[in-house]
Amino acid sequence: SQQGEEDPQALSIQEGENATMNCSYKTSINNLQWYRQNSGRGLVHLILIRSNEREKHSGRLRVTLDTSKKSSSLLITASRAADTASYFCATDVTDTGRRALTFGSGTRLQVQP
Amino acid sequence: ETGVTQTPRHLVMGMTNKKSLKCEQHLGHNAMYWYKQSAKKPLELMFVYSLEERVENNSVPSRFSPECPNSSHLFLHLHTLQPEDSALYLCASSQRLGYGYTFGSGTRLTVV
Repeated sequence: SQQGEEDPQALSIQEGENATMNCSYKTSINNLQWYRQNSGRGLVHLILIRSNEREKHSGRLRVTLDTSKKSSSLLITASRAADTASYFCATDVTDTGRRALTFGSGTRLQVQP
Repeated sequence: ETGVTQTPRHLVMGMTNKKSLKCEQHLGHNAMYWYKQSAKKPLELMFVYSLEERVENNSVPSRFSPECPNSSHLFLHLHTLQPEDSALYLCASSQRLGYGYTFGSGTRLTVV
């Protein structure tokens, strides 16, 4: 079963507005990470938040983690057209002895200039 | 360039062909991964190699065969693929298991 699921699936905003994407997951995690992907290229790591952390910032990015609700959110403030991309959450879990990231289906963000 | 290089960028192969995808990193990372990205599906982990563990994924069909000759190179050998194997194949590396990944740009594979 899918570990991480993003919400919404697609989001369209105007430049300068804030964009919020949510991620829910099912099992206990070691950490949660957010990535972006531009049109079929490789993914780019944005931020990692550990299971004992609640909030983390990196530039215009703010990530929160609520382990009691098994959810995370990514906030992009003052969005730019260049932020247009797909954003994925990924959970670091140890599953049957194998440790690797499990990705969600992603949120497609469109920032209109 | 991210530091993880994948070749070729695009590959078209027939169902009876044998080909290999190559991934190379010189970031000093100790773990490497193969992921498959199909349209409208989440990334699927195929294989993990690390100094801590080498993990085969029994859910991946045997027509996909990984090879990791050293910590900097990872191959995915392909033979007798099916059209549904057409996808973007992504290689990634990380310093250790559980750390952030650095992805390559991927190989767009089309099986005809």
